[in-house]
Amino acid sequence: QKEVEQDPGPLSVPEGAIVSLNCTYSNSAFQYFMWYRQYSRKGPELLMYTYSSGNKEDGRFTAQVDKSSKYISLFIRDSQPSDSATYLCAITQGGSEKLVFGKGTKLTVNP
Amino acid sequence: EPEVTQTPSHQVTQMGQEVILRCVPISNHLYFYWYRQILGQKVEFLVSFYNNEISEKSEIFDDQFSVERPDGSNFTLKIRSTKLEDSAMYFCASSEQGLQADTQYFGPGTRLTVL
Repeated sequence: QKEVEQDPGPLSVPEGAIVSLNCTYSNSAFQYFMWYRQYSRKGPELLMYTYSSGNKEDGRFTAQVDKSSKYISLFIRDSQPSDSATYLCAITQGGSEKLVFGKGTKLTVNP
Repeated sequence: EPEVTQTPSHQVTQMGQEVILRCVPISNHLYFYWYRQILGQKVEFLVSFYNNEISEKSEIFDDQFSVERPDGSNFTLKIRSTKLEDSAMYFCASSEQGLQADTQYFGPGTRLTVL
């Protein structure tokens, strides 16, 4: 079983739509959860960082963690064409400096 | 806003040659990392570095790879004898307090092409 699974998409939505991006993970020792955005041929850019179950909101972005189901989500409200990118979930466990990434979901927001 | 920088942006080399990829982490950060991303694949962890030594490394980081902090600002990744399969984007990252209290900030990457 892969450590982190993420549907690669691609996902195409109209401008203004609510976008839901998801990852599942297999290791219950994972404690810290991040979402990165990556534009083509660029480095990952941190969007959200959380270490507890529940929701964390930052502007149009909401990160949700369900540790009991080993499931994390990123919601984007009122999506914009500038949100078009690949979204990567990244997870790590306590005591480790290693981030384990999902494969990324490619999102296109159409004007 | 402070950012991680990497040079060169693109490096082309012949198989068997040595390459050094350079990174300047964010100035007050203490933890440094290298990741790589083969085209179309996941970002993969290579190594973490803290207090002038490797703190963690992956199975990818074999004897062909080494890291160094030669001065107070640079962090380098050396590949001694490049192989075709080393062709990838290499990302440097840094963190102020490490993943247990902070997160990692990534540079723009160096695209390595091995011919």
